[in-house]
Amino acid sequence: KAGVTQTPRYLIKTRGQQVTLSCSPISGHRSVSWYQQTPGQGLQFLFEYFSETQRNKGNFPGRFSGRQFSNSRSEMNVSTLELGDSALYLCASSFPGEETQYFGPGTRLLVL
Amino acid sequence: GEDVEQSLFLSVREGDSSVINCTYTDSSSTYLYWYKQEPGAGLQLLTYIFSNMDMKQDQRLTVLLNKKDKHLSLRIADTQTGDSAIYFCADRLGGATNKLIFGTGTLLAVQP
Repeated sequence: KAGVTQTPRYLIKTRGQQVTLSCSPISGHRSVSWYQQTPGQGLQFLFEYFSETQRNKGNFPGRFSGRQFSNSRSEMNVSTLELGDSALYLCASSFPGEETQYFGPGTRLLVL
Repeated sequence: GEDVEQSLFLSVREGDSSVINCTYTDSSSTYLYWYKQEPGAGLQLLTYIFSNMDMKQDQRLTVLLNKKDKHLSLRIADTQTGDSAIYFCADRLGGATNKLIFGTGTLLAVQP
């Protein structure tokens, strides 16, 4: 079974631009969560989607948004990029009722 | 609020046992997880324990949970150089959510 895939793997943007990251969960998984990983703040929860609905949201500004499609694929968008948005963005998927979450390889975003 | 703490660094010799410790604050935790991250990679799920269990063994890995003290540990028997990585403890909160609160990560260095 294929794992969680994230595209693109690497991205360079400049301040003020916007970016869209994509996450394809493991087949059959309907829950997708997003995390931001930085050296200073560690791993922080962004949001969680289940069956196209946002179920939980972390403490991030409104510039960070996401959505989930009917095939469970998810995208997150960051508008008006700031230097501090440089990070590894990880998504994780899980099957309904299961306690395990599996992470993708991440998208490394560099904002110049 | 919810918080998870880990020591930052552990150095062991190949063949020895490693013990990585974690403390958490949340009283409604359902599951606690250990993830491994190698350089430039995403998070690999190693093992997890239900909050009502005291111990779980999985090959070279032993997880101990002291719910009263909110203390979790991961013991790796016969540590190998390939075990060198950052290990994250994560707390899954109660309720209908997959949100994980991660610790700061422990860098395990295995000396040959």
